[in-house]
Amino acid sequence: GPKVLQIPSHQIIDMGQMVTLNCDPVSNHLYFYWYKQILGQQMEFLVNFYNGKVMEKSKLFKDQFSVERPDGSYFTLKIQPTALEDSAVYFCASSLGLGDIYAEQFFGPGTRLTVL
Amino acid sequence: AQRVTQVQSTGSSQWGEVTLDCSYETSEYSYLILWYRQLFSGEMVFLIYQPSFDTQNQRSGHYSVVFQKSFKSISLVISASQPEDSGTYFCALSELPRNNYAQGLTFGLGTRVSVFP
Repeated sequence: GPKVLQIPSHQIIDMGQMVTLNCDPVSNHLYFYWYKQILGQQMEFLVNFYNGKVMEKSKLFKDQFSVERPDGSYFTLKIQPTALEDSAVYFCASSLGLGDIYAEQFFGPGTRLTVL
Repeated sequence: AQRVTQVQSTGSSQWGEVTLDCSYETSEYSYLILWYRQLFSGEMVFLIYQPSFDTQNQRSGHYSVVFQKSFKSISLVISASQPEDSGTYFCALSELPRNNYAQGLTFGLGTRVSVFP
């Protein structure tokens, strides 16, 4: 089936540094999402993105977070500066978009971020 | 506000039918309930979804749901479960507001299922 790719699979950085997580969504999908999952907890929605704009964001999407998809390339999540509580697995997802049958979100394998 | 609750934290089966329960809260008239399985690698695999406006229980392969809209509850039924069905199963809510754009999913805490041969 369609695949969402995420690069890198693991990232270890020092607190205060900047990190960019990359996502290659399914090619014909229009909506893109980031989710955060702390070990042993449920996945929590951060943000979704459509047509070059953030459509909605949760309270977890702090001011230090930003997303973009320049020129149809990777959909990125940037955290600047990072904090210890940002350590988690970040999942990217994409969907065709509207309505019920197009609402299925395809998930990438996740990027495990460790902030030291 | 939306919320999804999965009652069982773990379940097990020795080859047979497995039923996983989920309840949810939403103020939207239209929504979807989706089920995903998270593999031990972390990968999320979509299984099945139920639209709120469809009274018929959905089926997909050996997955089906029992949808009780008035109770805001839905169960995933895995028939003839196999060891490869092991993993953590997540129930998720997708609200469809009037402008109908795709929204972020609200997930439950998941139910870990182990199927033994």
